[in-house]
Amino acid sequence: GQQLNQSPQSMFIQEGEDVSMNCTSSSIFNTWLWYKQEPGEGPVLLIALYKAGELTSNGRLTAQFGITRKDSFLNISASIPSDVGIYFCAGGQGGSEKLVFGKGTKLTVNP
Amino acid sequence: KAGVTQTPRYLIKTRGQQVTLSCSPISGHRSVSWYQQTPGQGLQFLFEYFSETQRNKGNFPGRFSGRQFSNSRSEMNVSTLELGDSALYLCASSLVGRRLGNEKLFFGSGTQLSVL
Repeated sequence: GQQLNQSPQSMFIQEGEDVSMNCTSSSIFNTWLWYKQEPGEGPVLLIALYKAGELTSNGRLTAQFGITRKDSFLNISASIPSDVGIYFCAGGQGGSEKLVFGKGTKLTVNP
Repeated sequence: KAGVTQTPRYLIKTRGQQVTLSCSPISGHRSVSWYQQTPGQGLQFLFEYFSETQRNKGNFPGRFSGRQFSNSRSEMNVSTLELGDSALYLCASSLVGRRLGNEKLFFGSGTQLSVL
């Protein structure tokens, strides 16, 4: 089946640093979604991307839909302690096809 | 607008029992998906319901079943519980109607099921 390779698995950074994570696949996707999950809660949608090459920001977060449609990137600038959580990417091929999720990147921010 | 509501929040059961989890989607959302989340396996897709019909199904045994009602509310049932069924069960709703690309999924807070 389709798989998304999300990296890195975990990150330990200092407050104020920038963060980059990515998702890659051997399959082409028409949709890329990025979610953040905090302990004991469900994933919360951060950014949705629908067009190859699209670059979308949400505050300090910026995500890009790779030009090959097989990857996507999420950047967090000037990290703060509340950025802590697990970040998931999800790819979709549209229509009634279900989303495929990466295994997540666990982010720890040291104050 | 209220978000996706899942009940109960926590559940403790013993092996062999059965359990029913409930999900109320965001008002106007017609699709409901269920996911199982465990630390080792990440988010595993269980099934998706749209207009009271199962539209997609993941690779889970028949002990896992679901249904959707005419008001889009959904329930999932797990029969003959096993220790390995301990997980966070997440429900997500989406609008449906997008011609190109997938609809955004909005998740509830989940039901944490512990099987003893």
